[in-house]
Amino acid sequence: AQSVTQPDIHITVSEGASLELRCNYSYGATPYLFWYVQSPGQGLQLLLKYFSGDTLVQGIKGFEAEFKRSQSSFNLRKPSVHWSDAAEYFCAVGPLGQGGKLIFGQGTELSVKP
Amino acid sequence: KAGVTQTPRYLIKTRGQQVTLSCSPISGHRSVSWYQQTPGQGLQFLFEYFSETQRNKGNFPGRFSGRQFSNSRSEMNVSTLELGDSALYLCASSARGESTGELFFGEGSRLTVL
Repeated sequence: AQSVTQPDIHITVSEGASLELRCNYSYGATPYLFWYVQSPGQGLQLLLKYFSGDTLVQGIKGFEAEFKRSQSSFNLRKPSVHWSDAAEYFCAVGPLGQGGKLIFGQGTELSVKP
Repeated sequence: KAGVTQTPRYLIKTRGQQVTLSCSPISGHRSVSWYQQTPGQGLQFLFEYFSETQRNKGNFPGRFSGRQFSNSRSEMNVSTLELGDSALYLCASSARGESTGELFFGEGSRLTVL
């Protein structure tokens, strides 16, 4: 079955500290992988995506993610967190040509301590 | 360029009523997807429309329906509302005919069913 698991429901980090949000997926074919961020009361914004090629992808707001096929993982990282990064982060997987259907993880809520 | 616009942003209905939500995609985008977001189930795909045709449908009962107009605007309808339909309904548009997962989300319509 196709699924996405984000093991951490809630993470708290100090401002300036590094961040890693975990994402594991189960998918039969080559996946297309995404990270989205949702601020309170807002829709989702695409942070970055992986389709093929270099397994380390750069996104907006200083985020990056690494695709590891052997581990079925696509973890999101940021070297130094800012207070404005506090939000909910969603990992998603989808195929090409399936009509916009993405499978989302349950999300990881990030809190940032001053 | 204006983003994805959803109306209304908030609404309250009672059980048994029906509701219609509207979504205007980004200009030039022809694909519109709908997702339901709840604390318990997370983000779940409802359906996707492209050029006025439903291309994909999620696992929701027939009470949930949608349509797309020739100008790419989309509506979704939920009939005979149940308490469990309380959720944030998110619309997303994408530019290409084939889904690449690059979805642009609106801020959502928050439905409360009493």
